Amino acid sequence: DGGITQSPKYLFRKEGQNVTLSCEQNLNHDAMYWYRQDPGQGLRLIYYSQIVNDFQKGDIAEGYSVSREKKESFPLTVTSAQKNPTAFYLCASSIASDRGYGYTFGSGTRLTVV
Amino acid sequence: AQSVAQPEDQVNVAEGNPLTVKCTYSVSGNPYLFWYVQYPNRGLQFLLKYITGDNLVKGSYGFEAEFNKSQTSFHLKKPSALVSDSALYFCAVRDARGGSYIPTFGRGTSLIVHP
Repeated sequence: DGGITQSPKYLFRKEGQNVTLSCEQNLNHDAMYWYRQDPGQGLRLIYYSQIVNDFQKGDIAEGYSVSREKKESFPLTVTSAQKNPTAFYLCASSIASDRGYGYTFGSGTRLTVV
Repeated sequence: AQSVAQPEDQVNVAEGNPLTVKCTYSVSGNPYLFWYVQYPNRGLQFLLKYITGDNLVKGSYGFEAEFNKSQTSFHLKKPSALVSDSALYFCAVRDARGGSYIPTFGRGTSLIVHP
């Protein structure tokens, strides 16, 4: 079955440590997105990529980095510069050129700073 | 700039009663509107969308939404609520941003259906 796989499901980070969240899709979607979810704040866009080897900052990109070396993969690194990284992170994919196409979401990664 | 508003943080309804989750939008041009549902510790699942055509859109799990252009609203409805409908619901609009179609999500509305 086609879908998006996020791993790990739970991740613990120590202060000053970088961590990488994985996102893989087999839907042949060209666009991929990373969102951060905090209680009462909805979904906030971190980074998005419409095509391989290209990506753009979203609304809250500071302290995060991404790469898009393959169409199927869009990993997110939470760097030590992100001062409040504890949140639920969601990856999504879609067809970039079709405005009416919906999004497929992964099951999320819950990151906790310890 | 595009935006959506979900004015209610929480909606409570008794099982068997009709439910409404509200959403209003602000976009330039024609809106492309979506509803998603999220169960605890899971990703969002697509429910329905409005692109064009009939103002009443039918979606998954018996949900429907009514598009009202004059009121710039896209409220989610269901004639008879189930306890299993209890979840977090998000309204979204997909509009152009820097040449890309990027969605903007509302803050979410927690639906609680009481037995």
